[in-house]
Amino acid sequence: KAGVTQTPRYLIKTRGQQVTLSCSPISGHRSVSWYQQTPGQGLQFLFEYFSETQRNKGNFPGRFSGRQFSNSRSEMNVSTLELGDSALYLCASSSGFFSYEQYFGPGTRLTVT
Amino acid sequence: AQTVTQSQPEMSVQEAETVTLSCTYDTSESDYYLFWYKQPPSRQMILVIRQEAYKQQNATENRFSVNFQKAAKSFSLKISDSQLGDAAMYFCADGGSQGNLIFGKGTKLSVKP
Repeated sequence: KAGVTQTPRYLIKTRGQQVTLSCSPISGHRSVSWYQQTPGQGLQFLFEYFSETQRNKGNFPGRFSGRQFSNSRSEMNVSTLELGDSALYLCASSSGFFSYEQYFGPGTRLTVT
Repeated sequence: AQTVTQSQPEMSVQEAETVTLSCTYDTSESDYYLFWYKQPPSRQMILVIRQEAYKQQNATENRFSVNFQKAAKSFSLKISDSQLGDAAMYFCADGGSQGNLIFGKGTKLSVKP
């Protein structure tokens, strides 16, 4: 099986712009979670989607949003980018409703200048 | 709030030796999962081992094993016969009640030849 894929791998944006990141889960996986990783805050949970519905959300401002499509692919969007949004954004997929075993993609490195 | 603590920011081990990484967690859930993930410099987060809280037997995956002490809320990872490829950041994670992973700050493991 192919693993979790994320595009793009690297992104440079200017403060105030918006960005969309994409994640394709492992085939058959219905849950997609997003995490932000920074040196200062570590790994923080953004949100999780299951069957096109947001099931859980972390403590991030409304500028961070996401969605999931019928084929389980997911996108996350960050509007009005701030310098502090520079981070590695990781996507993870899992198979079942209460399956906590998550498999991660390679991440998207976002740099905001 | 659920928290995961890794008290060793950095560890070092000689090749072929054994090393133990510590992790403590704080959860009020009765049924939960615990994980160790490895993140090499390439950044891809890799699942190393998983432990179901209801199982008394410690999980083992080849050279990797855990010491799960439920009453003490301790979940340490033992790496036997350390190899150069084991060098990475290691994250302990608690499968939260909402399906998201709660990560510790990580332990950077160096392997000396």
